[in-house]
Amino acid sequence: EPEVTQTPSHQVTQMGQEVILRCVPISNHLYFYWYRQILGQKVEFLVSFYNNEISEKSEIFDDQFSVERPDGSNFTLKIRSTKLEDSAMYFCASSALGTAYGYTFGSGTRLTVV
Amino acid sequence: GENVEQHPSTLSVQEGDSAVIKCTYSDSASNYFPWYKQELGKRPQLIIDIRSNVGEKKDQRIAVTLNKTAKHFSLHITETQPEDSAVYFCAAHQGAGTALIFGKGTTLSVSS
Repeated sequence: EPEVTQTPSHQVTQMGQEVILRCVPISNHLYFYWYRQILGQKVEFLVSFYNNEISEKSEIFDDQFSVERPDGSNFTLKIRSTKLEDSAMYFCASSALGTAYGYTFGSGTRLTVV
Repeated sequence: GENVEQHPSTLSVQEGDSAVIKCTYSDSASNYFPWYKQELGKRPQLIIDIRSNVGEKKDQRIAVTLNKTAKHFSLHITETQPEDSAVYFCAAHQGAGTALIFGKGTTLSVSS
């Protein structure tokens, strides 16, 4: 079964540093997403990306965040000037156009800001 | 924007009993309602979903019902087993490329 791959699985960073979280979506999927889940809380939408541009973003996704598809396979989330409250699990997901809108989530990157 | 409420937040049942988790949504434009199971430290896994043109869907021991008029949908698990213990999230979705809005989750504990 195709999978969404995320790297690294765990990232520890100093407050104020920049981090880049990486995702390889399923190859024939066209829509890409980032979600975050603070420990013990619900999964929250950050951003969706289609045709090399953001199609929707949440209030959480402010100027501190950016996304990019630097090549044909990777999809990245950059977080600038990390804060303690950015500590969370970040999930990438992808979905195929024209199917049952079903998402496939990656295994997540646990970001710890110290 | 869409808001999804989920109840209860915790649910404890004996093995073999049924479990029901309920969700309500606010935006009538939502047309797809997936349910995810999340085990500790792992990704959400889709267990069942339903589209707005269907009232009920069943897959072995799990079923989902949807009431569009009342804007609520429910997950039913019958003959629960200890391995059903996890956090269950409902979600609402309006279409490809749009946000999947999650409920706050229900921690289901099945004791043997």
